[in-house]
Amino acid sequence: NAGVTQTPKFQVLKTGQSMTLQCAQDMNHEYMSWYRQDPGMGLRLIHYSVGAGITDQGEVPNGYNVSRSTTEDFPLRLLSAAPSQTSVYFCASTRGANQPQHFGDGTRLSIL
Amino acid sequence: AQTVTQSQPEMSVQEAETVTLSCTYDTSENNYYLFWYKQPPSRQMILVIRQEAYKQQNATENRFSVNFQKAAKSFSLKISDSQLGDTAMYFCAFQTSGAGSYQLTFGKGTKLSVIP
Repeated sequence: NAGVTQTPKFQVLKTGQSMTLQCAQDMNHEYMSWYRQDPGMGLRLIHYSVGAGITDQGEVPNGYNVSRSTTEDFPLRLLSAAPSQTSVYFCASTRGANQPQHFGDGTRLSIL
Repeated sequence: AQTVTQSQPEMSVQEAETVTLSCTYDTSENNYYLFWYKQPPSRQMILVIRQEAYKQQNATENRFSVNFQKAAKSFSLKISDSQLGDTAMYFCAFQTSGAGSYQLTFGKGTKLSVIP
């Protein structure tokens, strides 16, 4: 049982480049979300999805795009990377409201 | 909007001793969930303990227990018999209750070091 799988684990980009962070879960969870973790800031919600075809913005959505074409996958896109997007990104999923969330192992992204 | 405050950026404890990490939160909701997550150097986010606001009994998981004071909006984590493997960042998190409530609001974290 793989749980929540994030790829890649590490990535270095140049300013202005685009990139997609992948997130997949094999638990048939309806709800998926993306968080970013910055030093001294905890985790902050970027985007979330309550099911295939449905997405919404979280606390810090600017500069990021998401889509949810299947229950399993929830990719996060950076259309034009900026140094302020240097962070560790976590994907999470849950079976439903008020259930514990399962986190992926994170992607460390550096933008030069 | 909810806020979660962890007032101790760093703490240390001797191995086998007990340590308490503080967390306060602000919400106008009556029903909600509170969590403590552990993040070791491996970067994984590991659920330590979960408390349902409508339950007065404090949650316990082995060496980990909470002191939940709903009126004071306080949710502290007590780690007994501290072990070297407890060295990690600890995050307090809040989640509202009810259908469609999935988002977690995190505190900024407390870095705990267990000293041999």
